Amino acid sequence: KQEVTQIPAALSVPEGENLVLNCSFTDSAIYNLQWFRQDPGKGLTSLLLIQSSQREQTSGRLNASLDKSSGRSTLYIAASQPGDSATYLCAVRGGADGLTFGKGTHLIIQP
Amino acid sequence: NAGVMQNPRHLVRRRGQEARLRCSPMKGHSHVYWYRQLPEEGLKFMVYLQKENIIDESGMPKERFSAEFPKEGPSILRIQQVVRGDSAAYFCASSPQGDYEQYFGPGTRLTVT
Repeated sequence: KQEVTQIPAALSVPEGENLVLNCSFTDSAIYNLQWFRQDPGKGLTSLLLIQSSQREQTSGRLNASLDKSSGRSTLYIAASQPGDSATYLCAVRGGADGLTFGKGTHLIIQP
Repeated sequence: NAGVMQNPRHLVRRRGQEARLRCSPMKGHSHVYWYRQLPEEGLKFMVYLQKENIIDESGMPKERFSAEFPKEGPSILRIQQVVRGDSAAYFCASSPQGDYEQYFGPGTRLTVT
């Protein structure tokens, strides 16, 4: 059974810092990995999708990497802003079922 | 192109009543997924459907829960005889094909009193 772990569970940094969020998964047989952000009381916004054959994806100040063999992904956020404050979720797709989610990293960017 | 739509956004039911949650996928998407987020817990997969077919329901509770995605109209998640433990946020996602990016709706927050 796939398990996804996200470290740290919470993170608070001053505005402008670069930061890294970590995600690990136990079964390397995945189709893809998605990073989402969730704002309080809201739905999920997809940030980046990495297919199993890819090593990384970039969108603006966000960069996600995938090392399938070691079961790890990182989300790098450059030049953080207060608007980046949210919960960041990592999820993997392993088969004909849905995504398996981590519990998220709660990120606070201090102005 | 409108995103994934869910209604109602908030639903209050008394114990023993039925709850019906609706999800309209993005235009052109024929794959729908339902997830549940319990308070202080992560999102858990419930069921994966294509038009008129249930592809995987391995995450669905065995009793009281059912889902459908008819040829016409939205996908429906139905919870019969609700109990307090069913209180949660229920999210729907859609994708154009099975292993493509999933796009999530705003969720339905169910409260059972």
